[in-house]
Amino acid sequence: KNQVEQSPQSLIILEGKNCTLQCNYTVSPFSNLRWYKQDTGRGPVSLTIMTFSENTKSNGRYTATLDADTKQSSLHITASQLSDSASYICVVRRDGGATNKLIFGTGTLLAVQP
Amino acid sequence: DTAVSQTPKYLVTQMGNDKSIKCEQNLGHDTMYWYKQDSKKFLKIMFSYNNKELIINETVPNRFSPKSPDKAHLNLHINSLELGDSAVYFCASSQGLAGPYEQYFGPGTRLTVT
Repeated sequence: KNQVEQSPQSLIILEGKNCTLQCNYTVSPFSNLRWYKQDTGRGPVSLTIMTFSENTKSNGRYTATLDADTKQSSLHITASQLSDSASYICVVRRDGGATNKLIFGTGTLLAVQP
Repeated sequence: DTAVSQTPKYLVTQMGNDKSIKCEQNLGHDTMYWYKQDSKKFLKIMFSYNNKELIINETVPNRFSPKSPDKAHLNLHINSLELGDSAVYFCASSQGLAGPYEQYFGPGTRLTVT
């Protein structure tokens, strides 16, 4: 079954600290993996998109890693800021067949406290 | 300057009514989507349109019907609204359906059915 699981479900950290969010998937065949940030009351915003051959990709203080062998990805946030408080969603795109599907994880809710 | 816009932002209606949500993108993208986000914040794709053709219909009840008058618009019509339809609906667009194209989301429409 094609699934995307994220951990932890929620996380509270102090401003300035680093954190890492995890994403495990069983989607096959794999096409690409995306991380989105969704602020409360707003639509998701893309942070990174990683294809099979990419191991690491950075976007400012956000760094995503991908291990296609173990089907795991992580999103590392460096020097967190209050504005990082949001839900972070991992999405895996399945390839092949007559339809192309995006499989969404349930998200990690991050709260950054002063 | 808004890339993907939706109207209305909030919609409160009674069971059994018919309603529409409008979506417009000014990015020149070929593909548009509708997503439903439930109370648990889980995003689920409902439809995608690529060059005015329906590509994916994710087991959505036929009370929901997307209509695309042109490439820049994808409206969502909902007939005979039910309590379970209460959710936030997001429109999104991307350059294409295949490939690692970024999706750009609208601000969402919060639908409440009473």
